[in-house]
Amino acid sequence: DTAVSQTPKYLVTQMGNDKSIKCEQNLGHDTMYWYKQDSKKFLKIMFSYNNKELIINETVPNRFSPKSPDKAHLNLHINSLELGDSAVYFCASSPSEGQPQHFGDGTRLSIL
Amino acid sequence: GESVGLHLPTLSVQEGDNSIINCAYSNSASDYFIWYKQESGKGPQFIIDIRSNMDKRQGQRVTVLLNKTVKHLSLQIAATQPGDSAVYFCAENVSNDYKLSFGAGTTVTVRA
Repeated sequence: DTAVSQTPKYLVTQMGNDKSIKCEQNLGHDTMYWYKQDSKKFLKIMFSYNNKELIINETVPNRFSPKSPDKAHLNLHINSLELGDSAVYFCASSPSEGQPQHFGDGTRLSIL
Repeated sequence: GESVGLHLPTLSVQEGDNSIINCAYSNSASDYFIWYKQESGKGPQFIIDIRSNMDKRQGQRVTVLLNKTVKHLSLQIAATQPGDSAVYFCAENVSNDYKLSFGAGTTVTVRA
């Protein structure tokens, strides 16, 4: 009965590789988000999709590409991974704007 | 125990005491505010929210106070328990905007 689920939970890979993180929500929400949390616990929005349409695209390197096949899924693909990409990536969803966002448990990405 | 000033990264509180976590928000146009709790290895979990037409809102053992004049938000936890040990984040939102801006977080440690 997990509300927002992300896979994988841990991702360890080498610099230069390409990787994807998947997210699914079963809450029936229209909006999904990707956040990055750095080592100091600072949470920053990266992307948001509403009904499969990109609505937030913060200053993120174009090596990061979100894809939303349907409103229950939002995946994040990262090309040419760099050391600075090491972080915890959180997926979240909400019914609409001005509503609480519900978070997954994160994907811990470590670049060797 | 209470975090004072604009922001204190850590708060240590005796079990059974009340906790007060403070947050200064930056955008005077923000009109929706949320407190989240993040336990180790988990995603942020919604605690309580408040809209700008209110000064106070109560939940189970938690109270949020909003002072729009000085752009200050606080979370009060009554009878703090060991399970309350976590990082607490305030987040602000502007109407018709999907973006949540998070504060830096306060680490709460409950002493037995």
